[in-house]
Amino acid sequence: DAKTTQPNSMESNEEEPVHLPCNHSTISGTDYIHWYRQLPSQGPEYVIHGLTSNVNNRMASLAIAEDRKSSTLILHRATLRDAAVYYCILKRGGSQGNLIFGKGTKLSVKP
Amino acid sequence: DAGVTQSPTHLIKTRGQQVTLRCSPKSGHDTVSWYQQALGQGPQFIFQYYEEEERQRGNFPDRFSGHQFPNYSSELNVNALLLGDSALYLCASRYGLDNTGELFFGEGSRLTVL
Repeated sequence: DAKTTQPNSMESNEEEPVHLPCNHSTISGTDYIHWYRQLPSQGPEYVIHGLTSNVNNRMASLAIAEDRKSSTLILHRATLRDAAVYYCILKRGGSQGNLIFGKGTKLSVKP
Repeated sequence: DAGVTQSPTHLIKTRGQQVTLRCSPKSGHDTVSWYQQALGQGPQFIFQYYEEEERQRGNFPDRFSGHQFPNYSSELNVNALLLGDSALYLCASRYGLDNTGELFFGEGSRLTVL
């Protein structure tokens, strides 16, 4: 599976938007971009995923670069509850392989 | 609708012992995966079960084994425990082997090996 690169940590102020970047320059055409987050003392939870087009759901938006070599997870209004480690993961479509987690980005949210 | 449930939540073992961790997948899910998460690291894939068979395996030794039952629940067994096996063990489930969709995780079993 292709590798992703994320900043180790980021800070945000409460109620402001947050843009979490992810680089994946070796992405292949069938790789989906997944985002998960892990709150303290909990298991990871799904945030969003996409292939080529930008995606929106109730939690966040995913902006995918036209060449697909990078993507950005957007939290529109950060809350204290959004403080977590965010993982950007590439996953080939189909049954091969499982989620391969890196170290992710630790997001801190200041009141 | 219960999500993924794991037991026990915490346990302490000594080196050389054996441990069994249990997982009940989310209702309607038939595929179970296990992950190991050391402190400060991301989860590492151990193996995946579907139709009571191990379908994929990560880079873990044979001391790590598993089982899936007809009701889709699963067990993770670790033999000859080492200090380095201390970690949070996460179970995750989904419906079917197609992995483009959401994976649901439990809250984990924290194992401490002394």
